[in-house]
Amino acid sequence: DIHLTQSPSSLSASVGDRVTLTCQASHDIYNYLNWYQQKPGHAPKFLISDASNLQTGVPSRFSGSGSGTNFTFSISSLQPEDVATYYCQQYDSFPHTFGPGTKVEIK
Amino acid sequence: QVQLQESGPGLVKPSETLTLTCTVSGGSIRSHYWSWIRQPAGKGLEWIGRMYSSGSTDLNPSLKSRASMSVDMSKNQFYLKLTSVTAADTAVYYCVRWYAARGYDYWGQGTLVTVSS
Repeated sequence: DIHLTQSPSSLSASVGDRVTLTCQASHDIYNYLNWYQQKPGHAPKFLISDASNLQTGVPSRFSGSGSGTNFTFSISSLQPEDVATYYCQQYDSFPHTFGPGTKVEIK
Repeated sequence: QVQLQESGPGLVKPSETLTLTCTVSGGSIRSHYWSWIRQPAGKGLEWIGRMYSSGSTDLNPSLKSRASMSVDMSKNQFYLKLTSVTAADTAVYYCVRWYAARGYDYWGQGTLVTVSS
């Protein structure tokens, strides 16, 4: 199985701050990586495909980059509604796996 | 707008079989991939498996062949069966669409399944 690690496990930042999360894969997964946002009590929401493609309707303050084994996810200007846990997910091979998540809070 | 809704028993006894139903509305189940993903309380997401509308499946080996998936296109429903459940199977179970070989785009609201005697 491809193992994904995310860091940090949690962070606290101020409204308007730029926030950057990382996801590292145990093997080369090219750009077969997605990002999801999960707010408490809700199902995850699909934000970014193929490491960097923003899904329709997702605010442009969200972005992703990377390839191979190292990926980043950024929020350019943190908003109160961005409080959530963010998960990366690989689809290079089965089983599809998710990272453990990064919890983002407002300071 | 595609919508997914899970249904099934909220409580299952240890060693019994869990069966969940996902009803798809707002679109056809045909020609798409459909998945089950679960999440224990306070923990991360675990991929259970994926099924094409034809019935072919890819399942997570970690479940040691306890999981199976099936589809009923006439009802626009697909199903998860998990045998020999234990407390470790207690989780919120989501049914999800895998879209365009890219990502899990539509999710059900999730259904909590508790394994307890």
